[in-house]
Amino acid sequence: RKEVEQDPGPFNVPEGATVAFNCTYSNSASQSFFWYRQDCRKEPKLLMSVYSSGNEDGRFTAQLNRASQYISLLIRDSKLSDSATYLCVVRAGGFKTIFGAGTRLFVKA
Amino acid sequence: DADVTQTPRNRITKTGKRIMLECSQTKGHDRMYWYRQDPGLGLRLIYYSFDVKDINKGEISDGYSVSRQAQAKFSLSLESAIPNQTALYFCATSDPTGAEAFFGQGTRLTVV
Repeated sequence: RKEVEQDPGPFNVPEGATVAFNCTYSNSASQSFFWYRQDCRKEPKLLMSVYSSGNEDGRFTAQLNRASQYISLLIRDSKLSDSATYLCVVRAGGFKTIFGAGTRLFVKA
Repeated sequence: DADVTQTPRNRITKTGKRIMLECSQTKGHDRMYWYRQDPGLGLRLIYYSFDVKDINKGEISDGYSVSRQAQAKFSLSLESAIPNQTALYFCATSDPTGAEAFFGQGTRLTVV
């Protein structure tokens, strides 16, 4: 079993739609959680951290469920520019940071 | 200019050749990392360095070596390249909290 698992997609949604991704992790000692965005043939960039109480940044909402060991990312009112691969990142402590393989999102006009 | 710069951006090399990928950063961070990315596998850590005198193996270090020439420079070498080392390689840096990693633009390496 992978330490961090994501549905690879692709998710194909129309502009304006709401889309949600989940990510599960296996290490219950994991301490920090992040979502990164990676455009095609580009480097990953931090989208947002995920806090225990959940957090929102504009159209993006991230949530953490420690009991079930998953994190989620919700994107409201999808834009064409949201098309990318979204990487779930989990850190257990120290240097051990695990990247998920990513979920691909295509937003269509 | 990018905070993390990798050279070359693309490289095709033959099996058995030695190749070096270079990385430099202007963030002033002590921590630097080398990852490879393969389709469906995500980013996997090859080596990491927490300062100039501290170098550690990651989960897939076999066939690779690194050199931390200065705080700002961290190079990755493939001693004898093989086709399954064909991948997209990323260098990254982070502050001590590791809260955010800053990646270079990547090096697409093809071993034929």
